[in-house]
Amino acid sequence: DTEVTQTPKHLVMGMTNKKSLKCEQHMGHRAMYWYKQKAKKPPELMFVYSYEKLSINESVPSRFSPECPNSSLLNLHLHALQPEDSALYLCASSPKLLRDSGEKLFFGSGTQLSVL
Amino acid sequence: DAKTTQPTSMDCAEGRAANLPCNHSTISGNEYVYWYRQIHSQGPQYIIHGLKNNETNEMASLIITEDRKSSTLILPHATLRDTAVYYCIVRGNTGTASKLTFGTGTRLQVTL
Repeated sequence: DTEVTQTPKHLVMGMTNKKSLKCEQHMGHRAMYWYKQKAKKPPELMFVYSYEKLSINESVPSRFSPECPNSSLLNLHLHALQPEDSALYLCASSPKLLRDSGEKLFFGSGTQLSVL
Repeated sequence: DAKTTQPTSMDCAEGRAANLPCNHSTISGNEYVYWYRQIHSQGPQYIIHGLKNNETNEMASLIITEDRKSSTLILPHATLRDTAVYYCIVRGNTGTASKLTFGTGTRLQVTL
């Protein structure tokens, strides 16, 4: 299994809702990532987890709350989002942190989020 | 990580080679050149990477100039399915290297 699976594929939520995005991989990877991508823009890194511990937080607002309950699963909890948070949220994994030359990221297809 | 410069868009006829350039004039000795692509409505996909030598795999070839200040990704026989945004990324292997930072990329349109 060489896939990163993200659910749901599409999500519409109101500004007072609480929702969660889910990401799963069964490749034995120990690093997992959340990226945000606005339309016609490149992906922007949000969070990096290594061995289930938060390694990088790119100054993301607290209304986004990541969680890594085990090595195969990564969640992104959403609360009190704004319309400008509407974007494609991408999850990725790698065998370990990208410090070694050969490491590469495997991306999921993303969750398209619309905040009304 | 060194900054990269890519053309905004390129066209290529199906069956012809697509040559996508990337400038990275501030690259340092321990930084690698990576290429990813993103087909519409999908996540980015790794293509190839290299340090100094030219590299080839089943998807593409990567040509890096001797001074390492620029590189070219070559898709030898482009198909319509190669239409995508191609990102050239330079990444080191120390410090903040655990970040993969995307630039604006080149939008490649393959036409009949």
